[in-house]
Amino acid sequence: TQLLEQSPQFLSIQEGENLTVYCNSSSVFSSLQWYRQEPGEGPVLLVTVVTGGEVKKLKRLTFQFGDARKDSSLHITAAQPGDTGLYLCAGGPGGSWGKLQFGAGTQVVVTP
Amino acid sequence: EAGVAQSPRYKIIEKRQSVAFWCNPISGHATLYWYQQILGQGPKLLIQFQNNGVVDDSQLPKDRFSAERLKGVDSTLKIQPAKLEDSAVYLCASSPGEMGPHYNEQFFGPGTRLTVL
Repeated sequence: TQLLEQSPQFLSIQEGENLTVYCNSSSVFSSLQWYRQEPGEGPVLLVTVVTGGEVKKLKRLTFQFGDARKDSSLHITAAQPGDTGLYLCAGGPGGSWGKLQFGAGTQVVVTP
Repeated sequence: EAGVAQSPRYKIIEKRQSVAFWCNPISGHATLYWYQQILGQGPKLLIQFQNNGVVDDSQLPKDRFSAERLKGVDSTLKIQPAKLEDSAVYLCASSPGEMGPHYNEQFFGPGTRLTVL
C-alpha cells in the first residue's frame, strides 16, 4: 500500500495570511491530484500534476509536484474565508488504472 | 452537465440491519467508484467498476458489503448486516475512463452519511 502523508493535519489562519500544506510519500506516483472538500459535500478536484517539478497556478493557489514525483505542496496566497475546507491529496499509482490513494487531509480554517 | 447523484443523503440504522445506497454517475462516464470516508480520514476505495465489470474490490469487506452496477450506469452499494464501525460517509465518484494524463480525475457525489446505532 502506498501511503500519502499530509501535514499539518489542521491549520487555522487569519484572512490575508499565506499557508502551505504538504503531501509526502515514499512511493512514486504517475500523477497527483489535489481536492477540496467542504462539509456535507464530496471532494472537488482542484488540479492534476503529472510531471516531476511541475508547478501549476490556479488564481491564489500554487501547486508543486516534487522532482521525484513522491511529494507535492499546495500554497495559498492571501487566504480568504472561502478557502476554508479539507484539502486532500490523491496519488495515482503507476499501473493501477484509474485508482487513487488518498491522504488523510489537512483541515484549513480561514477566519475573517 | 449534471453531477454525480447519490441517495439517500442521510441514513440512521441499528446494528445488524441492512442498508442500500444508490449512485447515478455523470452521463457517459465509464468508471465508477465507491469510497468509505470515516470522520477525520481521507476516502478509502471500496470498489471500482469499469462499465459493468469490477476492476478492484480488494478493500471491500465481502462478508457484509456488496455492490453492483447494472447495465454499466447506476450502481448500488449494500451493507448487510451493518456494524457500528460502518458509520461513515459513503462517496460515489465517476470518471470518463479515457486514457491520458488526466485519466484518473474523479467527480464525486455529495455522499451518504450513515450512522449505525
